[in-house]
Amino acid sequence: AQSVTQPDIHITVSEGASLELRCNYSYGATPYLFWYVQSPGQGLQLLLKYFSGDTLVQGIKGFEAEFKRSQSSFNLRKPSVHWSDAAEYFCAVGTPTTGNQFYFGTGTSLTVIP
Amino acid sequence: NAGVTQTPKFQVLKTGQSMTLQCAQDMNHNSMYWYRQDPGMGLRLIYYSASEGTTDKGEVPNGYNVSRLNKREFSLRLESAAPSQTSVYFCASSPDRWDYEQYFGPGTRLTVT
Repeated sequence: AQSVTQPDIHITVSEGASLELRCNYSYGATPYLFWYVQSPGQGLQLLLKYFSGDTLVQGIKGFEAEFKRSQSSFNLRKPSVHWSDAAEYFCAVGTPTTGNQFYFGTGTSLTVIP
Repeated sequence: NAGVTQTPKFQVLKTGQSMTLQCAQDMNHNSMYWYRQDPGMGLRLIYYSASEGTTDKGEVPNGYNVSRLNKREFSLRLESAAPSQTSVYFCASSPDRWDYEQYFGPGTRLTVT
């Protein structure tokens, strides 16, 4: 069965430090991959997506993610975190060749300290 | 352009009561979705509507019904609410079922006592 794993439930970083949030998936073919961000009390907003092509994708708010097929990973990165980045981050996977389903990970909560 | 709107924002129900959550989108999207979000479990798909006139079950459909009223509106009904349905409910839409880039509403926080 397909699945999405975000191994870090909660991460704390200092403002200005770099950030990497991990996402691993289980799927037999190349999935469609997404990162969403959810600010407190808000809905989800799409940060970036990967369908095919260049494995390093750029998103909004200075985020990027890299698809690594050999590691079944799609980690989210940001070189310098801002206090406004504090939020919940969700990785999601679409399965275009197996039932066309869409799965979310359980989320990583990011705290940014001054 | 309001995007995806949901009503109500908050609701408290007693066990056994019924209610309908409303969702509307003004982006002319074909596909609409209902998710529930529970702590530590991410978002789980309840029902979706790939296009006007069609609805399909998602991962956790039990206890819910949906209606795709027209292209804009997709409602979620709880016929007999249970405490296990205490959750935050999100509606989303996408241009079509194969698009995956979903746009989310602000959510409805439901408590069943």
